[in-house]
Order: sequence, then C-alpha cells, then structure tokens
Amino acid sequence: QVQLQESGPGLVKPSETLSLTCDVSGDSIVNSNHYWVWIRQPPGKGLEWIGVVRKSGNTFYNPSLESRVTISVDTSRNQFSLKLASVTASDTAMYYCVRNVEKWGQGTMVTVSS
Amino acid sequence: EIVLTQSPEFQSVTPKEKVTITCRASQNVGTGLHWYQQRPDQSPKLVIRDVSRSISGVPSRFSGSGSGTDFTLTISGLEAEDAATYYCHHSSNYPWTFGPGTKVEI
Repeated sequence: QVQLQESGPGLVKPSETLSLTCDVSGDSIVNSNHYWVWIRQPPGKGLEWIGVVRKSGNTFYNPSLESRVTISVDTSRNQFSLKLASVTASDTAMYYCVRNVEKWGQGTMVTVSS
Repeated sequence: EIVLTQSPEFQSVTPKEKVTITCRASQNVGTGLHWYQQRPDQSPKLVIRDVSRSISGVPSRFSGSGSGTDFTLTISGLEAEDAATYYCHHSSNYPWTFGPGTKVEI
C-alpha cells in the first residue's frame, strides 16, 4: 500500500528557505508515471497547489510562487522535495505531498516566525 | 489559470438529507475534475475523481456529475460522519487549482 510521509523543520525564520522532503513507500517513483505534487493549506483556509514534478525531473509551478519554489525528485532515495525561498509569515501552512490526486501524506505543519 | 468557484459556501443539513454542491470552472476542464472531503484536522480524502468515477472505500451515497464547466457533488442520505469541508479540484492543465470549499454542517 502506497504511503507518503512529509518531513522537515516545523519552524523556519523569515527570509530563510523552507525545505521539506516526501518519502514514498509502496510505490517506485522511477518505475511509475505518476505526478508528484506539493499542496499547502494555511490555518483555517483553503488548499493551494504549489507544483508538480515527474520522474524525469520536469516541473510545473503555481505562477504565484514560481519565483521562490523548487521541486525536485531523487529517484535513488524514492523521494521528492520542496524548497521555498524567502519565506514570510504568509507561508505558514500545513504542507502536503500527494501522488497524482488520490494519495496524500498526513501533512506537516510549518510555521514561519523569528 | 482556471478559477473554480463553489456554491454554497456553507450548508447546514439534517441526517438523511440530500446534499448538492456545485463547482463552476472558468474554462472547460474536460474530465479532470475531482472532489475531496476534509474533516477537521485530517488530510483531504478523494471521494470522486474524473467528474464521476467512484473511489474504492468511499460510500456509494457520494456521486459526481457534470461536464465542461459545471459540476456537482451529491451526497444522498447524509450521515453524521459526512460533516466536513468539500473541495473541487481540477487537473486539466497547469496550474492545477482548487475551489474555495463548501462546509457541510450537520
């Protein structure tokens, strides 16, 4: 059964870079043709799509975040990652990694604060 | 960017009632329209994909319909466990986007 698990610091200082990793188990990134996605949800608000990476490394990002976002894939570790630069308090959110549309991780809360 | 709007924003219902949530897209999304249920403090859960495809493990009271730009999620015979916020989501082209959500209270 496929499982996705986010990991990374729960607290990031303003202007620094948020870095998260999603470990995939029960599925092989390199042997599948799935979309590996990051989505976030600020406290009490709706869902925001951040971007996607394919096994080839091809990416597409939300235009509103594109200048600060990098999503990458490490097929040798069967994981994919999110980096969000120059964070502010508005980047405080629950961050989810997702396979396609159907399989979500449990999410990891990231707070931006000094 | 395709903008998704949902109505109503909030719905208060009684058990066994039928609930209908509408999602309208600013452009044709074909079959790339999906519905999620999110209970408090939980990850979103896919309840309908590709407009009307049912999901294994999701009760049959959940159904989806629509085409082009107008879509509907129907919950027939609401149960207490269905209290949640429901989001529509499109994956027809980039960037993928979400509707603002509909909160269903029982």
